[in-house]
Amino acid sequence: DQQVKQNSPSLSVQEGRISILNCDYTNSMFDYFLWYKKYPAEGPTFLISISSIKDKNEDGRFTVFLNKSAKHLSLHIVPSQPGDSAVYFCAAIRGDSWGKLQFGAGTQVVVTP
Amino acid sequence: EPEVTQTPSHQVTQMGQEVILRCVPISNHLYFYWYRQILGQKVEFLVSFYNNEISEKSEIFDDQFSVERPDGSNFTLKIRSTKLEDSAMYFCASSEREGRDSNQPQHFGDGTRLSIL
Repeated sequence: DQQVKQNSPSLSVQEGRISILNCDYTNSMFDYFLWYKKYPAEGPTFLISISSIKDKNEDGRFTVFLNKSAKHLSLHIVPSQPGDSAVYFCAAIRGDSWGKLQFGAGTQVVVTP
Repeated sequence: EPEVTQTPSHQVTQMGQEVILRCVPISNHLYFYWYRQILGQKVEFLVSFYNNEISEKSEIFDDQFSVERPDGSNFTLKIRSTKLEDSAMYFCASSEREGRDSNQPQHFGDGTRLSIL
């Protein structure tokens, strides 16, 4: 199942700089998108989401951008902090589902001092 | 902050045996889910449950799997006859409303690692 793709398995960024994580999707039925963060030995934790009727949503240091025509979304973290080091998952929900999350493979972010 | 709790954290079972994974969702949540992550692979949806019924299930969720909410607090996943390929981390999640409500996203437990020998 490659409907949600995160092509970068890892990202290293300096503390204080911007982290940009990318996600592509192939299914035009997706109408809601989410980002989750996961630390080792813990479950995923919700970060931020966006509906397909919007192109940007911001919450503190986290901003998600959606480009529907390109079937692409990105997560910006500014400024990056050491505690942001984790695996970040992009997820999507189809319009005919109310709760089935379809996840990407994840991007491991390492924030260095 | 309320949490989804899962027990046990690690379950080791012989192939062919039945296993029950337990979850206590957040108390005011009405929607319940199971996901799994095989080592090195994506997190995959298994099933969603609302109003004492399965709402959606994936092709993975075959006749060997079942879910139940036996009382007002627990939500269980049963695998009747385990196979080697069932070895994975199993995550329970719950939400107060359906999945598009950003104020009420799915909250995940820390998972049960299931190892089939």
